[in-house]
Amino acid sequence: GAGVSQSPRYKVAKRGQDVALRCDPISGHVSLFWYQQALGQGPEFLTYFQNEAQLDKSGLPSDRFFAERPEGSVSTLKIQRTQQEDSAVYLCASSLEQGGAEAFFGQGTRLTVV
Amino acid sequence: GQQLNQSPQSMFIQEGEDVSMNCTSSSIFNTWLWYKQDPGEGPVLLIALYKAGELTSNGRLTAQFGITRKDSFLNISVSIPSDVGIYFCAGQYWKTSYDKVIFGPGTSLSVIP
Repeated sequence: GAGVSQSPRYKVAKRGQDVALRCDPISGHVSLFWYQQALGQGPEFLTYFQNEAQLDKSGLPSDRFFAERPEGSVSTLKIQRTQQEDSAVYLCASSLEQGGAEAFFGQGTRLTVV
Repeated sequence: GQQLNQSPQSMFIQEGEDVSMNCTSSSIFNTWLWYKQDPGEGPVLLIALYKAGELTSNGRLTAQFGITRKDSFLNISVSIPSDVGIYFCAGQYWKTSYDKVIFGPGTSLSVIP
């Protein structure tokens, strides 16, 4: 497709369950970002990839959060042992060059932990 | 660390009115960005500003990069119902090895027909 694609769109997880969220960036885009957006808030930075290299993971809330982009295209955000405070929309964005200016966002994955 | 503040937090205006919102920070940014987010969608870029003092328009939207590099404003002229949504400012700064972008908390705009 032409845009950034995220799956699933919605995910309900029981507390303690592991989840994996997928992002398909625009083909050829070097940069990939993950953001967490709580209800009524702006996107909060989680992590940044430049091709397959994870250059910044300073925003990951805990060691339960892990992201990868092994071949420099598709990325997966994994959350282990989910907790209720993990409930949020997880947004993925990609941009053609390094850095985040003029990034294109996916529709997000809404995660609800019950 | 870097943080952005947006005002107002929310606005209720009549269709046809002009809108003004702004974004401030105590830190300097190299690029300012304005995004709009509709319910259930990801943010969409409206305007990008790259130089201090720059004034850029995109249709009915006009944005400016403050000369101190610590603020930016967005104006919408002659508002229409489809302008409803949440407007986020974002600032880009150099962090060690790449240009990082952070977002403000947003301004929610409601347009009354």
